[in-house]
Amino acid sequence: NAGVTQTPKFQVLKTGQSMTLQCAQDMNHNSMYWYRQDPGMGLRLIYYSASEGTTDKGEVPNGYNVSRLNKREFSLRLESAAPSQTSVYFCASWAEAGVTYGYTFGSGTRLTVV
Amino acid sequence: GESVGLHLPTLSVQEGDNSIINCAYSNSASDYFIWYKQESGKGPQFIIDIRSNMDKRQGQRVTVLLNKTVKHLSLQIAATQPGDSAVYFCAENPYNFNKFYFGSGTKLNVKP
Repeated sequence: NAGVTQTPKFQVLKTGQSMTLQCAQDMNHNSMYWYRQDPGMGLRLIYYSASEGTTDKGEVPNGYNVSRLNKREFSLRLESAAPSQTSVYFCASWAEAGVTYGYTFGSGTRLTVV
Repeated sequence: GESVGLHLPTLSVQEGDNSIINCAYSNSASDYFIWYKQESGKGPQFIIDIRSNMDKRQGQRVTVLLNKTVKHLSLQIAATQPGDSAVYFCAENPYNFNKFYFGSGTKLNVKP
């Protein structure tokens, strides 16, 4: 059981380049999330998807787009990367009742924009 | 966003001692709280949760206390071990049960 898988683990971009961060979960969770974590700070929500076919903005959505491709996959796209988007990005999924509570997180993508 | 903060950014304890990590939350409407542990280079890992209709919940070596009157959470770790060294975050769920807000974290250092 892999849980939440993120790719790539590391990425360096030049300012203005675009890229897509991939996330997949194999737990049949309905909700999926993208967070960013900056040094010494907590996690800030970028976008989330409460169910397949829906997406909503979080606290810091500017400069990002998302796609909930199917129930398993939720991707995050940076159309024109900026140095301010240098961060560690975490994908998470959630199943509320019964088996487990709380988010299951991926291992993160460390992105540097130069 | 909502304010979920921590009183102590860094906590150092001796191995075998008990640790207490505190968290203040701002929204009295929050009804679900989670503590996460994040080891270096890894994603946060669920430790324990508590709902607002409870004051206390115990897990294995961990206890979460909730004081709704002063909007305060604490995480108690008994007999702290070197493997407990990590950053600990509290998270609150104020409006939408599908979304959490995280505090900035407390780093726990366990000295052998």
